[in-house]
Amino acid sequence: DQQVKQNSPSLSVQEGRISILNCDYTNSMFDYFLWYKKYPAEGPTFLISISSIKDKNEDGRFTVFLNKSAKHLSLHIVPSQPGDSAVYFCAAQFTGANNLFFGTGTRLTVIP
Amino acid sequence: GAVVSQHPSRVICKSGTSVKIECRSLDFQATTMFWYRQFPKQSLMLMATSNEGSKATYEQGVEKDKFLINHASLTLSTLTVTSAHPEDSSFYICSGQDQETQYFGPGTRLLVL
Repeated sequence: DQQVKQNSPSLSVQEGRISILNCDYTNSMFDYFLWYKKYPAEGPTFLISISSIKDKNEDGRFTVFLNKSAKHLSLHIVPSQPGDSAVYFCAAQFTGANNLFFGTGTRLTVIP
Repeated sequence: GAVVSQHPSRVICKSGTSVKIECRSLDFQATTMFWYRQFPKQSLMLMATSNEGSKATYEQGVEKDKFLINHASLTLSTLTVTSAHPEDSSFYICSGQDQETQYFGPGTRLLVL
């Protein structure tokens, strides 16, 4: 049962524009959410996270928004750069547990 | 960030043989390491949590006698796929926990013929 879903397998965006990656989850008990970026032949690297007590967290060009009522989170990248081209995974976690529940990933391509 | 390595990156083996995958934390000590598996077009799924000096905790549906995990030191965990079969062909990836963040290795692609 897929508890974290990324319904868009791919996304293409022009350089300088905003990239919006979406993620939905089904378990309302998740209280910590993370985004990972993965380049080919490398493992996922942590990008940004958000606790369920917040609805927004910003780090430079990256902002994550959380809508608990809709069980939806999104990652905004602005401005998008060609080096941002990668697969982005969202993941969810329960408090006190280490297990990460991953989505299937979205491949972002930023076109120069 | 912290670095985790995996070896080998790719392995092809015959059905019935055993394969060992190593996961090392290179610049930090990981008391906890995790093993994930990813089938094509699916998400990373946790297989087991490996704690240094104790038995691994397996997720439901993962056979502990088939996927042997050893975490003998703070920087090394190994996953052995015993008597591998074609259905075990997958992408196996480990992570080490440093404080509250998991750092992932590059993964091992296993193909069982």
